[in-house]
Amino acid sequence: DAGITQSPRHKVTETGTPVTLRCHQTENHRYMYWYRQDPGHGLRLIHYSYGVKDTDKGEVSDGYSVSRSKTEDFLLTLESATSSQTSVYFCAISESRDRVNEQYFGPGTRLTVT
Amino acid sequence: AQTVTQSQPEMSVQEAETVTLSCTYDTSESDYYLFWYKQPPSRQMILVIRQEAYKQQNATENRFSVNFQKAAKSFSLKISDSQLGDAAMYFCAYRTASGTYKYIFGTGTRLKVLA
Repeated sequence: DAGITQSPRHKVTETGTPVTLRCHQTENHRYMYWYRQDPGHGLRLIHYSYGVKDTDKGEVSDGYSVSRSKTEDFLLTLESATSSQTSVYFCAISESRDRVNEQYFGPGTRLTVT
Repeated sequence: AQTVTQSQPEMSVQEAETVTLSCTYDTSESDYYLFWYKQPPSRQMILVIRQEAYKQQNATENRFSVNFQKAAKSFSLKISDSQLGDAAMYFCAYRTASGTYKYIFGTGTRLKVLA
């Protein structure tokens, strides 16, 4: 299994509070991703990173920010959590050493905003 | 923009039988990759099979195989000799071979395996 951890694994927070989710990898992969998973929507990309300090928006980036100061860590921040951000969040990594670049996923974080 | 469509929200199959999950995609690219991921109740995403668009031969992995129809932009997953452990959500995913390394996922198909 790829070495990807997410913390926390579960979190309940109140509307309006800031929340930071952490993704940590030990694979030295260049690319890191944050997705959210909601029933009927599959996985939707929030932000991704293609190197240290290099990030770009995905399809559902509003209300989220990210940072990557080290290869191994990719942080997702909800500046002011809303109930619509209740979801399961997945981190993923990939590399470009070969032509077929599958993604490896973390275990997920279940976030509930009350 | 590329899109991935899974039109079957839920499927059922009898144990030991064969089932096919559908996936279609839309792209103007000629070179790309396609994937099927399995998500069991544990929530862990597991790669099932992958296909490179430049390869005409359909990928196979043990009981799992794909029917890749590039002209029709179709990428279906066939599971043979279905087992109870195959019960899960299955996601189809697309990634272009150039430019960004973004992956696009379908909405998923929930597969139930009946004993």
